[in-house]
Amino acid sequence: DTEVTQTPKHLVMGMTNKKSLKCEQHMGHRAMYWYKQKAKKPPELMFVYSYEKLSINESVPSRFSPECPNSSLLNLHLHALQPEDSALYLCASSQEGYGPYEQYFGPGTRLTVT
Amino acid sequence: GQQLNQSPQSMFIQEGEDVSMNCTSSSIFNTWLWYKQDPGEGPVLLIALYKAGELTSNGRLTAQFGITRKDSFLNISASIPSDVGIYFCAGRPYGQNFVFGPGTRLSVLP
Repeated sequence: DTEVTQTPKHLVMGMTNKKSLKCEQHMGHRAMYWYKQKAKKPPELMFVYSYEKLSINESVPSRFSPECPNSSLLNLHLHALQPEDSALYLCASSQEGYGPYEQYFGPGTRLTVT
Repeated sequence: GQQLNQSPQSMFIQEGEDVSMNCTSSSIFNTWLWYKQDPGEGPVLLIALYKAGELTSNGRLTAQFGITRKDSFLNISASIPSDVGIYFCAGRPYGQNFVFGPGTRLSVLP
């Protein structure tokens, strides 16, 4: 099973709202990632968790707050977002953070900030 | 930061034709991945490559890890309408995270 699940599929939120995106994998992977993808562009790395610890933060604004409760779950907490944050948010996982391993993506959450 | 060149940017082909696309980098990579993405969906992993010169097939898809470790190629044989989508290459330099190419948009005409 190479499935990464994400909820919700779609999310519309106002600029003063607080919401969370959730991601889950049961492949025993120890690295999990959040990417942001704008239309017709490749995925852009936001955060990397390796062995449940944040190892990479690609200078992401603090209105995005990641959390890794355990090795199977990854959350992205959203607060006071801007309309330009509207995008497809993708979760991914791989066996480990830096080795020659495959990376699997979830279906994404389409976020619209109004 | 690290960038990948991917070509062609887009292509229009007739159903049944073969397709070739490639990805190049200025740095050496230890892993190449090829993904297909449909609108509104996450990228789906098609093929993974780990060794220079490696040639791997997945059905009608064949990909190769370039000998120089700086490039990779994806071929699709006998294209069908469901091959439509955006194809991304992703490479991993040693000790770093994956870098994505800008994508090749494939359209298949009946």
